Amino acid sequence: RKEVEQDPGPFNVPEGATVAFNCTYSNSASQSFFWYRQDCRKEPKLLMSVYSSGNEDGRFTAQLNRASQYISLLIRDSKLSDSATYLCVVPSTGNQFYFGTGTSLTVIP
Amino acid sequence: NAGVTQTPKFRVLKTGQSMTLLCAQDMNHEYMYWYRQDPGMGLRLIHYSVGEGTTAKGEVPDGYNVSRLKKQNFLLGLESAAPSQTSVYFCASRRDSSPYNEQFFGPGTRLTVL
Repeated sequence: RKEVEQDPGPFNVPEGATVAFNCTYSNSASQSFFWYRQDCRKEPKLLMSVYSSGNEDGRFTAQLNRASQYISLLIRDSKLSDSATYLCVVPSTGNQFYFGTGTSLTVIP
Repeated sequence: NAGVTQTPKFRVLKTGQSMTLLCAQDMNHEYMYWYRQDPGMGLRLIHYSVGEGTTAKGEVPDGYNVSRLKKQNFLLGLESAAPSQTSVYFCASRRDSSPYNEQFFGPGTRLTVL
């Protein structure tokens, strides 16, 4: 089983829609989780950190379900500018990070 | 505050040539990482460093060497480039070992090996 798994999509949604991505992780001891956004041919940039049950920042909500070992990212009122690839990232118990392969989102006018 | 910078941004090599990619950070971070990103593969860790003078292997270290002589710099070397090393290379830094500290990424180097 991979350390981090994501649905690759692609997700194609109309402007204003609500969309959710899931990410599962294998290490039950993981303490923190991150969602990064990556635009085409650009570097990943931190979108949200999740330490407890969840986190909310404007239109973005991240939720953590430790019992089922998954985290989700909810985007409300999608904008064209939300089109990107979203990476789920989980720190290892060592010094490394495990990256999902990313979920591609395209918001359609 | 430039964050994490990488040079060069683009490079084309012939098989067998060597080169060094430079990563620099001005945030006084202890940890630094080199990743490669290929289509459908996600980010894969090549080597990393937990402090000046230290390096360690990641998931895909073969064909690469690294050095961290100064805290702010992390160099990635390809001694004899192969077409399989065509990729986008990202450097990242992190303040320390706390699991609550995120990574900050450089803009990437796009390498093509012919």
